[in-house]
Amino acid sequence: TQLLEQSPQFLSIQEGENLTVYCNSSSVFSSLQWYRQEPGEGPVLLVTVVTGGEVKKLKRLTFQFGDARKDSSLHITAAQPGDTGLYLCAGATSGTYKYIFGTGTRLKVLA
Amino acid sequence: NAGVTQTPKFRVLKTGQSMTLLCAQDMNHEYMYWYRQDPGMGLRLIHYSVGEGTTAKGEVPDGYNVSRLKKQNFLLGLESAAPSQTSVYFCAAEGTLDSGANVLTFGAGSRLTVL
Repeated sequence: TQLLEQSPQFLSIQEGENLTVYCNSSSVFSSLQWYRQEPGEGPVLLVTVVTGGEVKKLKRLTFQFGDARKDSSLHITAAQPGDTGLYLCAGATSGTYKYIFGTGTRLKVLA
Repeated sequence: NAGVTQTPKFRVLKTGQSMTLLCAQDMNHEYMYWYRQDPGMGLRLIHYSVGEGTTAKGEVPDGYNVSRLKKQNFLLGLESAAPSQTSVYFCAAEGTLDSGANVLTFGAGSRLTVL
C-alpha cells in the first residue's frame, strides 16, 4: 500500500512566522498536489507540481517537488490567520487508485 | 457555478439502517470519486467511476455500494450501516486544467453518524 506521510500533524504559530510542511513517500508519483481544507468544506486545490525539482510560488506559498518525485514541501512565509486550515498533499499515480492522500497537517495561525 | 453538490449534508442513522448519498456535478467530468475522511487518516478512496455505467473499488470498499447511471450523478449506498461507517464523506470529480494537469473538485461533504 502506498503511503504519503505528512509532518508535522499539527502546527500552531503566531502571525508573521514562517513554516514548512513536509510530504514524504517511498513511492514515485507522476505529479503531486496540495490542497487546503477549511472546516465544513471540501479540499480546494492550491497547486500541482509535475516535474522533479520543480518549485512553484503562489504569493506567500512556495511548493517544491523532490528531485526523485517522492516527496514535496510547502513553505509559507509570514503566515496570516487566513492561512489556517488543513493542508493535504496528494500524489497521483497511474495505478488503480490514482490519487493517494497524505494524513494532513492542521495549521492554526494566531493573530 | 455549483461544481460538485452533495446531499444530504448531515445524517444520523441507527445501526442496520440503509441510506444513499448523492453526488451531482455540472462540469461534465468523466471521473468521479467517493472518499471518507477520518481524523488522522486523511482521505481514503471508497469507490470510483471512470464514466457513466462503470464503477470500481477503491481502498476501503467494504460495506458500500455505488452506481453511476448518469454521467452527472454518482451515488454511494450503505445497505446496513455500522458505527465504523461514522465519518465525513466527500465526493470529487476530476477535470483537466489548461496546463494539462488534472485536478479534483470536491463537494462540501456529508457528515454521517451511525449510532
